[in-house]
Amino acid sequence: GAGVSQTPSNKVTEKGKYVELRCDPISGHTALYWYRQSLGQGPEFLIYFQGTGAADDSGLPNDRFFAVRPEGSVSTLKIQRTERGDSAMYLCASSLRFGEQFFGPGTRLTVL
Amino acid sequence: GQQLNQSPQSMFIQEGEDVSMNCTSSSIFNTWLWYKQDPGEGPVLLIALYKAGELTSNGRLTAQFGITRKDSFLNISASIPSDVGIYFCAGPIGDDKIIFGKGTRLHILP
Repeated sequence: GAGVSQTPSNKVTEKGKYVELRCDPISGHTALYWYRQSLGQGPEFLIYFQGTGAADDSGLPNDRFFAVRPEGSVSTLKIQRTERGDSAMYLCASSLRFGEQFFGPGTRLTVL
Repeated sequence: GQQLNQSPQSMFIQEGEDVSMNCTSSSIFNTWLWYKQDPGEGPVLLIALYKAGELTSNGRLTAQFGITRKDSFLNISASIPSDVGIYFCAGPIGDDKIIFGKGTRLHILP
């Protein structure tokens, strides 16, 4: 059975560029979450989808960050005008039952 | 805001030793979660606790949901090399988001 997958596994970009990070949740999981994890820290919540709609985007740091989930399955996290401070591991998780989230392997974003 | 405090931050142990780590909060949680993260991987759910006082095992791992609902601990018995990693406690806030502690890093000495 496939778990949560994320692509790319690594992304290196230059300051000011636009990036898209993709998440494929576990089939049938209606809830999808994005987190950001900096070195030495635990994951920090960014945004939560229930189906196609963003139920809570209170963790997005600013309006350069946006996420979509148009068909209620795959989600894309989009970051505009990237800054060096955006460098982190971006984790996606999905769940059927609230609280039991299953994480993907993450995308390591490096902004030069 | 709400925070989860994990201790210790790091542990250095010999293979075969038992390990104990804990997580505390100033707020009440109704669910406690323990995750393990290996380098370059996402966190993996180890144990979920749903009731105050609950004691749950998963192989050599045992976790307890504190009676006050403000703490939880995780024990690992007879540690082996593959136990190395970062252990996070986590708890849900509201209807959707989960907050994580900063983790306990477990190292096993050769």
